[in-house]
Amino acid sequence: EAGVAQSPRYKIIEKRQSVAFWCNPISGHATLYWYQQILGQGPKLLIQFQNNGVVDDSQLPKDRFSAERLKGVDSTLKIQPAKLEDSAVYLCASSLEGLDRVGDTFGSGTRLTVV
Amino acid sequence: GQQVMQIPQYQHVQEGEDFTTYCNSSTTLSNIQWYKQRPGGHPVFLIQLVKSGEVKKQKRLTFQFGEAKKNSSLHITATQTTDVGTYFCAGRPTGTYKYIFGTGTRLKVLA
Repeated sequence: EAGVAQSPRYKIIEKRQSVAFWCNPISGHATLYWYQQILGQGPKLLIQFQNNGVVDDSQLPKDRFSAERLKGVDSTLKIQPAKLEDSAVYLCASSLEGLDRVGDTFGSGTRLTVV
Repeated sequence: GQQVMQIPQYQHVQEGEDFTTYCNSSTTLSNIQWYKQRPGGHPVFLIQLVKSGEVKKQKRLTFQFGEAKKNSSLHITATQTTDVGTYFCAGRPTGTYKYIFGTGTRLKVLA
């Protein structure tokens, strides 16, 4: 089966600019997650979607970050405006829902550098 | 807030030596997962533990979930260079639906 697709792989922007990341989960996976992984740390959940509804976005900095999953399939994460501390790898993951969820499948991530 | 800590932060071992990483949660967990992340790669799911005191094995890897469901461990027997990477636990606090990743243990294996 195809994995979780993410693009772009790398992005370098200046602070105060905007950036968007795209994710296409595994077919049939109802749940989609965006994680932020700062160098040397574990992934931190930013937002979790169940189909096209938001389940949890408690750690999403909503003044600058936004995410959508309009048709319940692919998703975009946007940062506007970016800050230096947003430099990180942004990982998208997907999983089956409910009791069938055993482990999340991660994409290769987008490495963002804010200069 | 809820936290999941792992020790040690780093571990260097000679090839053939054993390795153990410990995961400790500030709250009781419904279940716990383990992931491996190779340098420059993304986390890859290894296993999920659900029951108190559960022990699962995958070849040279042994995973254990504590009786109180607040801690877990991963033990690798006779490490190989292919075991290099960072091992993360991810715990789901009881009554919640999201996983909190641990701080990770970075393993280096010297040939």
